Amino acid sequence: AQKITQTQPGMFVQEKEAVTLDCTYDTSDQSYGLFWYKQPSSGEMIFLIYQGSYDEQNATEGRYSLNFQKARKSANLVISASQLGDSAMYFCDPGSARQLTFGSGTQLTVLP
Amino acid sequence: GAGVSQSPSNKVTEKGKDVELRCDPISGHTALYWYRQSLGQGLEFLIYFQGNSAPDKSGLPSDRFSAERTGGSVSTLTIQRTQQEDSAVYLCASSPRDSSYEQYFGPGTRLTVT
Repeated sequence: AQKITQTQPGMFVQEKEAVTLDCTYDTSDQSYGLFWYKQPSSGEMIFLIYQGSYDEQNATEGRYSLNFQKARKSANLVISASQLGDSAMYFCDPGSARQLTFGSGTQLTVLP
Repeated sequence: GAGVSQSPSNKVTEKGKDVELRCDPISGHTALYWYRQSLGQGLEFLIYFQGNSAPDKSGLPSDRFSAERTGGSVSTLTIQRTQQEDSAVYLCASSPRDSSYEQYFGPGTRLTVT
């Protein structure tokens, strides 16, 4: 079984600033993939970024990047230059199970 | 290209009635997942289809829930004798391959059992 912890139920960030969303997990698997998804108020679940546990370089996808620290079992999402449209719930998953298993997530609000 | 579609977008039903929820995955995606999301919560896995393999039904909460996938494409989730605790958003996702790949979600069906 895997346990996912997102310690920030709510975060606020000023538009155009960077923000880091924390995610720690507990898995006994040696090989896994880290996923972050976003769910705006419209309800659609949107894939953001993925990193394999053996990837040496942190994944980057546009304004999204992962700060992956395998020894600490931490995979924080960094959003640079926040935009109003980034306001959403954010979920992480260590992907050691075939299906996604999210925790309660972090609600990010971008302020104008 | 077309994404994952689900119908209906909203469904209100009386307790005890049966409901069918439909999912059209992205063309060519072999993996299909059903999840349930209660208000303010994360995802609850229900069932997984991969190609012609037997589905993984380990997440179905009771025998009132069943799902099928016809021709490796469209899937239908059926809930019999609905209960109020079945009220949730039911999300369908598809993926081009099994595990470790991103999933593409549909807009969901909001089910309300009165």
